[in-house]
Amino acid sequence: EVQLVESGGGLVQPGGSLKLSCAASGFTFSDFWMSWVRQTPGKGLEWVGNINQDESRRDYANSVKGRFTISRDNAEHSLYLQMNSLRVEDTAVYYCARDQDYIDYWGQGTLVTVSS
Amino acid sequence: DVVMTQFPLSLPVTLGRPASISCRSSQSLLYSDGNTYLNWFQQRPGQSPRRLIYRASNRDSGVPDRFTGSGSGTDFTLKISRVEAEDVGVYYCMQGTHWPRTFGQGTKLEIE
Repeated sequence: EVQLVESGGGLVQPGGSLKLSCAASGFTFSDFWMSWVRQTPGKGLEWVGNINQDESRRDYANSVKGRFTISRDNAEHSLYLQMNSLRVEDTAVYYCARDQDYIDYWGQGTLVTVSS
Repeated sequence: DVVMTQFPLSLPVTLGRPASISCRSSQSLLYSDGNTYLNWFQQRPGQSPRRLIYRASNRDSGVPDRFTGSGSGTDFTLKISRVEAEDVGVYYCMQGTHWPRTFGQGTKLEIE
């Protein structure tokens, strides 16, 4: 069974940093692209970015480009999202997702709140 | 960015009756490889999204056959032949043909 478990969310001040993690199991992690997607009540679902199998390709939404970095550790079956220069509008539930045919499986999400 | 417009945004349905959700894209979703990258997701209350349909009309493993995806170009539909109580939630379409991938605003299905 495919499982994706995010962690690392919490409260952070504007301008601060946070690193999210996603532990994957139930599939061969190194075979798949992986994505991060976020959800807010106001803006709905927004794709944040993705990374290919060997980290040679990464892509980001314009709203986070230059501030967020996606990485992975295939040996640890883990995906990461380093978020810097956080803004109030980055407040959302962040989901880790497997990128098979443009996203098939999602994690349960982790809440990031950016507020002073 | 490609805008995905869903309607209706709210869909009250009687148990056992059919339901239909529409999704329209601002550009054709037909990719140069001949595929149409349009997915449908279901998000039940308190849960993360679950994919139901990929490439417009392919049902994911384990998805009941009462769910059917159809459409091409810019117009797509998700149909539920007979709504059951477990179908309550929000349904989203998402396109992957154009960068960046974008989602519809969601259609909330509730039981009348």
